[in-house]
Amino acid sequence: QVHLQQWGAGRLKPSETLSLTCAVYGGSFSGYQWSWIRQSPGKGLEWIGEISHGGTTIYNPSLRSRVTMSVDTSKNQFSLRLTSVTAADTAVYYCAMPRLAYTNGWFYYWGPGTLVSVSS
Amino acid sequence: DIQMTQSPSSLSASVGDSVTIICQTSQSISSYLHWYQQKPGTAPKLLIYATSTLQSGVPSRFSGSGSGTYFTLTISSLQPEDFATYYCQQSYGPFYTFGRGTRLEIK
Repeated sequence: QVHLQQWGAGRLKPSETLSLTCAVYGGSFSGYQWSWIRQSPGKGLEWIGEISHGGTTIYNPSLRSRVTMSVDTSKNQFSLRLTSVTAADTAVYYCAMPRLAYTNGWFYYWGPGTLVSVSS
Repeated sequence: DIQMTQSPSSLSASVGDSVTIICQTSQSISSYLHWYQQKPGTAPKLLIYATSTLQSGVPSRFSGSGSGTYFTLTISSLQPEDFATYYCQQSYGPFYTFGRGTRLEIK
């Protein structure tokens, strides 16, 4: 049974960098793309981007200039960095992935979510 | 980006009722449309993928249909545990987008 566990700083000041990591337990790490998705009251669910096992990334154009995703296959982990945060980046951030390898586009496994608050 | 219009934004219904939620997209997305259920304080749960395929373990009272730009999620014979918020999501992509959600409340 696959389980996602995520962690990272929950309180940031404007202009700081958001950094989150998601670990995948209980399943194969190859053949997947992993996504980060955030949810705020104002904007609902927003897909941030995805990274593949081989490190190929696709980012949401609205965040592309500030987002970097990385993957550490030795630890079965993938990470998100979002630079120059503002109050508009306050949201619950989820990591998510499909159920089956080599399928993509819908999210079966989700992390528990990390509330990130940006305030001076 | 592909824009998603989900309606209604909220809906009141009674246990045993049947309800339909609509999701329309700004361009054709073939069948790359998926539905999620979310309860407060938890991550979304995948119900249906590729328009009409029921995720394993999801009750058969949930069904999805549509194609192109018009899609529906129908819940027949509502149960108490079905009162939640529902989201559609497209993966025609390459940039995925979600609908704004439909909050289903008990009448």
